[in-house]
Amino acid sequence: EPEVTQTPSHQVTQMGQEVILRCVPISNHLYFYWYRQILGQKVEFLVSFYNNEISEKSEIFDDQFSVERPDGSNFTLKIRSTKLEDSAMYFCASRLSMGATNEKLFFGSGTQLSVL
Amino acid sequence: DQQVKQNSPSLSVQEGRISILNCDYTNSMFDYFLWYKKYPAEGPTFLISISSIKDKNEDGRFTVFLNKSAKHLSLHIVPSQPGDSAVYFCAASASRAGGFKTIFGAGTRLFVKA
Repeated sequence: EPEVTQTPSHQVTQMGQEVILRCVPISNHLYFYWYRQILGQKVEFLVSFYNNEISEKSEIFDDQFSVERPDGSNFTLKIRSTKLEDSAMYFCASRLSMGATNEKLFFGSGTQLSVL
Repeated sequence: DQQVKQNSPSLSVQEGRISILNCDYTNSMFDYFLWYKKYPAEGPTFLISISSIKDKNEDGRFTVFLNKSAKHLSLHIVPSQPGDSAVYFCAASASRAGGFKTIFGAGTRLFVKA
């Protein structure tokens, strides 16, 4: 079965540094997402991306965050200047299309980001 | 943002018995509800879903019930198996309202004892 892949699985960085989290969504999917889960808390929506632009974002997704689909396969999340509270598991997800039969998201296995 | 609530952080059930996981929502624009299962060090995986036009959907051992008037849904697993031990997330989306995002609850950790 096709899957969403994320790299790296773990990322350790110093506070204030930039990080880029990488994702390869399922190839024929059209909608792309980033979610995060702080340890022990709920899975939180960050941003959705469709047709090469952000379609929706949460209040967490401030100016320090950006997303990009630089080519036909990769989808990246950049955090410009990391803060301690950015430490979380970041999940990439993709969806085939919109509509009642295509609501389910396919998630990658996540990147554990640790900001020291 | 507490649009999807799972008030039980954990549930322990004996193998072979029924597991019932509950979820409440507040946004009446939600028109599709999903349950995801998550093992440690893995991403959530889709389990079962239900459209707001239905009140029940069944897939093998898993059944989801939707009570729109109460804004409540539940996931029934019967019979429960030790391999079902995981965190279960309730999720909802409002695609017909033009929304792109799926909102998740905080999750319920299910322990199935052998």
